[in-house]
Amino acid sequence: DAKTTQPTSMDCAEGRAANLPCNHSTISGNEYVYWYRQIHSQGPQYIIHGLKNNETNEMASLIITEDRKSSTLILPHATLRDTAVYYCIATQGGSQGNLIFGKGTKLSVKP
Amino acid sequence: GAVVSQHPSWVICKSGTSVKIECRSLDFQATTMFWYRQFPKQSLMLMATSNEGSKATYEQGVEKDKFLINHASLTLSTLTVTSAHPEDSSFYICSARPSGRILRYEQYFGPGTRLTVT
Repeated sequence: DAKTTQPTSMDCAEGRAANLPCNHSTISGNEYVYWYRQIHSQGPQYIIHGLKNNETNEMASLIITEDRKSSTLILPHATLRDTAVYYCIATQGGSQGNLIFGKGTKLSVKP
Repeated sequence: GAVVSQHPSWVICKSGTSVKIECRSLDFQATTMFWYRQFPKQSLMLMATSNEGSKATYEQGVEKDKFLINHASLTLSTLTVTSAHPEDSSFYICSARPSGRILRYEQYFGPGTRLTVT
């Protein structure tokens, strides 16, 4: 699995877009980028994943740079309920093994 | 869909006793389940991978005789913390991967169990 680097913490104003960066400069060609989040004292929740192309779902958008060395998770209109630790994971998409969680980014959405 | 439950949600036990935590996939079958542990202000750390009908695979440094895992059915895995000590106090989280799914991300997490050993 490729090492990922994320800022320790970020603040965002309620209603504004939250842009969470992730560096994965050693990612290999068959490794996906996954994003999970963990609200305090709950289990992690899957958000989105991608390989090369940008992706969007009902929760967020994922922007992956052309060289795939970094990505940005975008929450378009952050709410107070989006306050959580966000984990970026770069790993192969196959069923072998498990997800390795790093330290993530603590996002605080403020009114 | 894809709901995973854990029971109990929290438990307090005395040092030296054993505690069993259940992880259930409520609306899907899961050949593979994972057990994680999370200490305060730290990230999740994988303890073991549990496959239905076979022995669990433990991560390095996790004592398999202390953390007993049983995955006897496609919807239930249990983690038993034997002879618990205060340092075992932690947040235990399970996840389940739907059978037949091939992508690693397709695993669903339970709400976690808070264990406090006094």
